[in-house]
Amino acid sequence: GNSVTQMEGPVTLSEEAFLTINCTYTATGYPSLFWYVQYPGEGLQLLLKATKADDKGSNKGFEATYRKETTSFHLEKGSVQVSDSAVYFCALVPRSGYSTLTFGKGTMLLVSP
Amino acid sequence: NAGVTQTPKFQVLKTGQSMTLQCAQDMNHEYMSWYRQDPGMGLRLIHYSVGAGITDQGEVPNGYNVSRSTTEDFPLRLLSAAPSQTSVYFCASSYSSGTSGSRFHEQFFGPGTRLTVL
Repeated sequence: GNSVTQMEGPVTLSEEAFLTINCTYTATGYPSLFWYVQYPGEGLQLLLKATKADDKGSNKGFEATYRKETTSFHLEKGSVQVSDSAVYFCALVPRSGYSTLTFGKGTMLLVSP
Repeated sequence: NAGVTQTPKFQVLKTGQSMTLQCAQDMNHEYMSWYRQDPGMGLRLIHYSVGAGITDQGEVPNGYNVSRSTTEDFPLRLLSAAPSQTSVYFCASSYSSGTSGSRFHEQFFGPGTRLTVL
């Protein structure tokens, strides 16, 4: 079956620090990969995506590269801001047919001034 | 476009009561899903639909019913609420995007319904 494993949080950083949130996956076939972000009291928003090996998704200073050889999709940002405090979810969807998202358990990021 | 809307935002029920969580989308998406979010569990799929008249079970369907009579609406029914159903519920809709070699389904989420069952 499909599964996503994320590092447990909370991740606590000071403003302008470098961020890495690890994500690895297990999937049959060749999935598409996503990072979603959930700000306090809100629903999930798509942050970035990658649909094939070596694709780099990027948005709002965040990046993640689809690494098929290591089945990973780690999220990075060079300089975090207080406004980046949120819960981040890694997710996958298989390529063939229709299938819903399989989510990791989420990683809370707390950024202090 | 309003996107995906959910009502109510908050609800408190007593054990054994029934209710329907509403979800609507105005993007003409074929696919719609219901998830529940619990602390430390991520999001788990309850039911989903690939088009009007077609629904299927997800990972945690017990205690929930769905129907899809129109493209726009996908209500979730709790027939007899239990404390274990206390959770935040998210509805999502999606479309298929990309070429045949890189097709994926980007999902759009509603703001959620926070349900407490006493």
